[in-house]
Amino acid sequence: GNSVTQMEGPVTLSEEAFLTINCTYTATGYPSLFWYVQYPGEGLQLLLKATKADDKGSNKGFEATYRKETTSFHLEKGSVQVSDSAVYFCALIKTGGGADGLTFGKGTHLIIQP
Amino acid sequence: EAGVTQFPSHSVIEKGQTVTLRCDPISGHDNLYWYRRVMGKEIKFLLHFVKESKQDESGMPNNRFLAERTGGTYSTLKVQPAELEDSGVYFCASSRSGQGLGYTFGSGTRLTVV
Repeated sequence: GNSVTQMEGPVTLSEEAFLTINCTYTATGYPSLFWYVQYPGEGLQLLLKATKADDKGSNKGFEATYRKETTSFHLEKGSVQVSDSAVYFCALIKTGGGADGLTFGKGTHLIIQP
Repeated sequence: EAGVTQFPSHSVIEKGQTVTLRCDPISGHDNLYWYRRVMGKEIKFLLHFVKESKQDESGMPNNRFLAERTGGTYSTLKVQPAELEDSGVYFCASSRSGQGLGYTFGSGTRLTVV
């Protein structure tokens, strides 16, 4: 079945540091890939997505590229801020039929220190 | 537009009791999803409604869980009787049919069974 593996935290960085959160997946067919973010006390928010190989999703300075050859969708940001502190979830959904729920990773708790 | 609303935000109940969680989707969203995150683990898909019909309930853990969406508007998820392993955060999401992957998540209900 489908699965998503992401680095487990907490990940603690200083403000303005470079961020990478690794995400790899296992899926049949051609899934769409997502990064969701959950800020303290809030719901899950879609951060970015990519629907086919080599697509790059980007939002709020974050980027992730759909790499089919390595089945990866790593999240990066060049300079993090304290306000980026949150839990980040990598997820996929299989397109073209079958169960239509999202498959999530375990989440990575990111802590940015001033 | 108003977001997806879930309540209660927190619930603490004793083992063996019954709890009902409620989700109000965004008005006009035919699709409604329930997910659950058990502490330290992945967010897991539970089920999917299209209007009042259950499209996919493959993720429901057992028959102690009952989800309804009478009239195709709000949905309830009842756990009866609750067990310790049911503790976690229950998320609801909704989307409009034909808008592909445009899910909006609620803030979740944190359920603690003691």
